[in-house]
Amino acid sequence: DTEVTQTPKHLVMGMTNKKSLKCEQHMGHRAMYWYKQKAKKPPELMFVYSYEKLSINESVPSRFSPECPNSSLLNLHLHALQPEDSALYLCASSGPASQETQYFGPGTRLLVL
Amino acid sequence: AQSVTQLGSHVSVSEGALVLLRCNYSSSVPPYLFWYVQYPNQGLQLLLKYTTGATLVKGINGFEAEFKKSETSFHLTKPSAHMSDAAEYFCAVTTGGGKLIFGQGTELSVKP
Repeated sequence: DTEVTQTPKHLVMGMTNKKSLKCEQHMGHRAMYWYKQKAKKPPELMFVYSYEKLSINESVPSRFSPECPNSSLLNLHLHALQPEDSALYLCASSGPASQETQYFGPGTRLLVL
Repeated sequence: AQSVTQLGSHVSVSEGALVLLRCNYSSSVPPYLFWYVQYPNQGLQLLLKYTTGATLVKGINGFEAEFKKSETSFHLTKPSAHMSDAAEYFCAVTTGGGKLIFGQGTELSVKP
């Protein structure tokens, strides 16, 4: 089973709201990722967690706050977002070796009003 | 530093025709190469990958790709296109460190 699940599927929020995106995998993977994808563009890496520790932060604004409560869960907390943050947010996971294949979830479509 | 170039942001083929999506990479160390497909409003699905060993890699849905080190290429092919193949295709490379470097993507259209 190579399934990564993400909730919610769609999210609309105002610029003053606080919301969270959730990602879950049960493949025993120890690396998890958040990507942002704009229309007709490739995914852009935001964060990488390895063994539940943040290993890469691609200079993402602090209004995005990742959290890895355990090896199966990854959250992305959102606060005071801007309209330009509207995008598809993708979660991925991979095995422990750094060249392991990344498996992606279906994404959360976020609209910031 | 690694990079990926996909030639052609849009490719259109007729149903039943050969599909050829081009990908060239730049890497100073042996790369791991991937092709992903993305259908509208969905996540990325792994089509195939090259790590080591056999240079001709077979993937899902009848796709295959050949790793050519001398040409730094990893082109994706399918002998006969189907309407359901219409999607966005991304080539990607990694040499470690958890970073996957994507090409800009190629949108494949299939005409009946």
